[in-house]
Amino acid sequence: QKEVEQNSGPLSVPEGAIASLNCTYSDRGSQSFFWYRQYSGKSPELIMFIYSNGDKEDGRFTAQLNKASQYVSLLIRDSQPSDSATYLCAVTATNTNAGKSTFGDGTTLTVKP
Amino acid sequence: DAGITQSPRYKITETGRQVTLMCHQTWSHSYMFWYRQDLGHGLRLIYYSAAADITDKGEVPDGYVVSRSKTENFPLTLESATRSQTSVYFCASRGGGGELFFGEGSRLTVL
Repeated sequence: QKEVEQNSGPLSVPEGAIASLNCTYSDRGSQSFFWYRQYSGKSPELIMFIYSNGDKEDGRFTAQLNKASQYVSLLIRDSQPSDSATYLCAVTATNTNAGKSTFGDGTTLTVKP
Repeated sequence: DAGITQSPRYKITETGRQVTLMCHQTWSHSYMFWYRQDLGHGLRLIYYSAAADITDKGEVPDGYVVSRSKTENFPLTLESATRSQTSVYFCASRGGGGELFFGEGSRLTVL
C-alpha cells in the first residue's frame, strides 16, 4: 500500500461544477497536509494547507481533513478551465522524518468549457 | 531575484557521464530537497538537507550524490548517468509552515 493515495483520475468536470479530489494516507503520525497544483510542464505550486480536522476555505478552494479516517480532500467550486492541472496531495509528519513530505501520484483534472 | 532557481533547465547527456544539477535559493530556508518526477511514480525524494553540511537519503538515493557547503546551494550530482535517470528533477526548499517551494525543474535525458 502506498503511503499517500489519490483518486487515479483523470477527472473531468464541466465549467462551473464542483471538482472533488481525494487523498488517503497511511501514517497516523502525519500532521501537515498540503495540496499542490501542477500545470503541464511546470513545477508544483502550493494552493492549500491544512493542519487541523475540519474544513479550511480559501476562495473557491476548500480543504477538508479527517484524521480519524486518514483522509484529506480538496473541493474546487465554480471550476474554471484554468483549474485544469494535476493536483498533488502531500503529507508531512513533522515530528519525525525531518518533516519530509510524501506525495501522492496526483490526480489530473480537466475542466471543460 | 528572490526564489529558488535550478540550472540547467534542460540537459542531454550520455550514459556514464557525470552530471551536476544546481539549485540556489535566496530565502535562507534550512531544509532543501531534491525530487524526481516520472510518469506513474509521482514525486520521489532523492536526498534532502536540514542545513549546511547536513544531508540525508530519501526514497531513491542510489546513483546520486549531494553536497551542501552553503545554505543557499544544494547541487545534485549523477556520478555515472544511466538511462533510468532520465527524468525531471525538482529542487525545493521548505518554508516555516512545512510548505515546499519548488524550482522550475531540470529535464534530464540520458542517451
